[in-house]
Amino acid sequence: AQSVTQLDSQVPVFEEAPVELRCNYSSSVSVYLFWYVQYPNQGLQLLLKYLSGSTLVESINGFEAEFNKSQTSFHLRKPSVHISDTAEYFCAVTRRGSNSGYALNFGKGTSLLVTP
Amino acid sequence: KAGVTQTPRYLIKTRGQQVTLSCSPISGHRSVSWYQQTPGQGLQFLFEYFSETQRNKGNFPGRFSGRQFSNSRSEMNVSTLELGDSALYLCASSLAGLAGVDTQYFGPGTRLTVL
Repeated sequence: AQSVTQLDSQVPVFEEAPVELRCNYSSSVSVYLFWYVQYPNQGLQLLLKYLSGSTLVESINGFEAEFNKSQTSFHLRKPSVHISDTAEYFCAVTRRGSNSGYALNFGKGTSLLVTP
Repeated sequence: KAGVTQTPRYLIKTRGQQVTLSCSPISGHRSVSWYQQTPGQGLQFLFEYFSETQRNKGNFPGRFSGRQFSNSRSEMNVSTLELGDSALYLCASSLAGLAGVDTQYFGPGTRLTVL
């Protein structure tokens, strides 16, 4: 089975400051990794995902995450945050496989609070 | 293209009752997954359906069940409701449920409150 640990439940940060949301995973098999964002009273939206290839993946709104196999981590970073980035962020994992289907294991989430 | 829709958005039930939640995936999507979100346990996978067949199942008691219809719409049912079943139930759809290829899109959820 796979599991995810998000090391920080809350991260307060000032606007335009950099931020890192930490995610570590545990798995005995190869995995795919995801970051989702949830705005208040909404469902989850995919931010970015690591499938294979380059270990650095980027989203369209300035977030990036780096897959580190040796440290089993997939930390999310943004060099300069905006007020609108305030949301709950979830790291997720599912096992790699041609027909494994979507059965995501999520971390407990990190609440990012951006203040002026 | 319309997104994933879930009905109803809010639901209040009492202990012992049963409830059925509905999910309409994005047009063309054949895989539907269900998740339960609670403050204590976070997001937990319930089950995934593809072409009317349950393909994956999480660690939930048999009171939680689901099905998928030929048009890919899905329902989940919870029988003999308990207070701990109060949660946001999220549905997600993807083309074929292939995590390495598809993108999974989530609906807004159904907020179930059990009194």
